[in-house]
This record gives sequence, structure tokens and C-alpha cells, in this order.
Amino acid sequence: SYELTQPPSVSVSPGQTASITCSGDKLGDKYACWYQQKPGQSPVLVIYQDSKRPSGIPERFSGSNSGNTATLTISGTQAMDEADYYCQAWDSTYVVFGGGTKLTVL
Amino acid sequence: EVQLVESGGGLIQPGGSLRLSCAASGFTVSSNYMSWVRQAPGKGLEWVSVIYSGGSTYYADSVKGRFTISRDNSKNTLYLQMNSLRAEDTAVYYCARVITGTTYHLDYWGQGTLVTVSS
Repeated sequence: SYELTQPPSVSVSPGQTASITCSGDKLGDKYACWYQQKPGQSPVLVIYQDSKRPSGIPERFSGSNSGNTATLTISGTQAMDEADYYCQAWDSTYVVFGGGTKLTVL
Repeated sequence: EVQLVESGGGLIQPGGSLRLSCAASGFTVSSNYMSWVRQAPGKGLEWVSVIYSGGSTYYADSVKGRFTISRDNSKNTLYLQMNSLRAEDTAVYYCARVITGTTYHLDYWGQGTLVTVSS
């Protein structure tokens, strides 16, 4: 079965750029998306189709996908961005999630 | 406005059965792919099942043969019938709409319903 791998944690200082990676075999040949989940809340889609932002998602969120790695980038990270982030891809007939990355803003 | 509201969770003994419901509004369930995703306490997201607009269904290996996804078009509601429940099925269960075509992503999620399997 297809697997996506994320680092368990990433730390960033306020105002700096955070990058969260998601690795999978030939992931660049698929579309990747990203979800943000804050404690006690449902996941929220922040990036789809590798780099597109849904309505209402701040411009500081961006994405890319090439080779075996998709990357979520948060520019000018704010305290409110502290959350768990999950990448996701579609493999033939089912959804695949990465293990999640806890973003700490300190 | 798109809304998804899950219900049916609760405390159930191992080996028992439970049916989760996901009432949708603002769109038609039968015209979309719909999915169930679960999250065990303190753990990450785990895909459980999907039903295509055409009616095909698929399951994660961990629930195959025990869980059944279905929908009631007249009620615009998605279901997850869970049988032979195990302790490891304890999780918050979310329903979500799947956007398909060029890309596949879950654009709307419900608030989740907690299933606790314990004696």
C-alpha cells in the first residue's frame, strides 16, 4: 500500500518561514493536499492540487510537489498557525494520509 | 452552505455494533464521493472508507469485512455500519465530502463523533 511520510514535528519562530515535507514514492506524479487541525477541531483543507488555496485560506500558505516530496510552506508564520498538519494523496481507489506534523511556533 | 453533521457515536462493548450517520446539507450526497476518516486519541488521521457517486465502495484493510459504508439518497445522509468492534476502533469518526476529477481532496468535514470500544 502507498505510504506518505512526514516529520513528527517542526518548530519555527514567529514571522519566519515554516516548511513541512511529505514524502512518497513518485508523489510528484500524484496531486497532494494539506490539512490543518487544531486541538479539538476538525481538519481544515489549506492546500489542494499541490499548490491551490481554498477560499479563506491566507496567502501565507503555499504548496509545491515534485519528485518524491510535497512541501507545505507557511511564510510569516503566526502563533495561530500552531497546529497539526497532514498531507494527503489519492492512490488508485483510496485516500492516503501522512502521519502528521506538529508545528510549534515559539 | 455545506454542512455535515455526524451522530451515533458512543460507548460500545468489544464485539458490538454501531451505526454512524452523517446528515448533509447544502449539496447532494449521492452526486459526490463521500468518505469516513477516523482519528484515535492522540493519533493521526486514518482513512476508513469511501463511497463513489456511482455506488462503488472501498475500505481500509483494518476495517474490511467489518464496516459497511452506505447512503440514503432520500435523507441525503451517509452511514457507516460498524460490526465486530474492537478496542482499536476507538476514535473520533469524521465524514467528509471528497472532491474528485483532476484532484482528490476532502473539502468539507463534519465535527466528528466519538466511538469508544471498551468493556
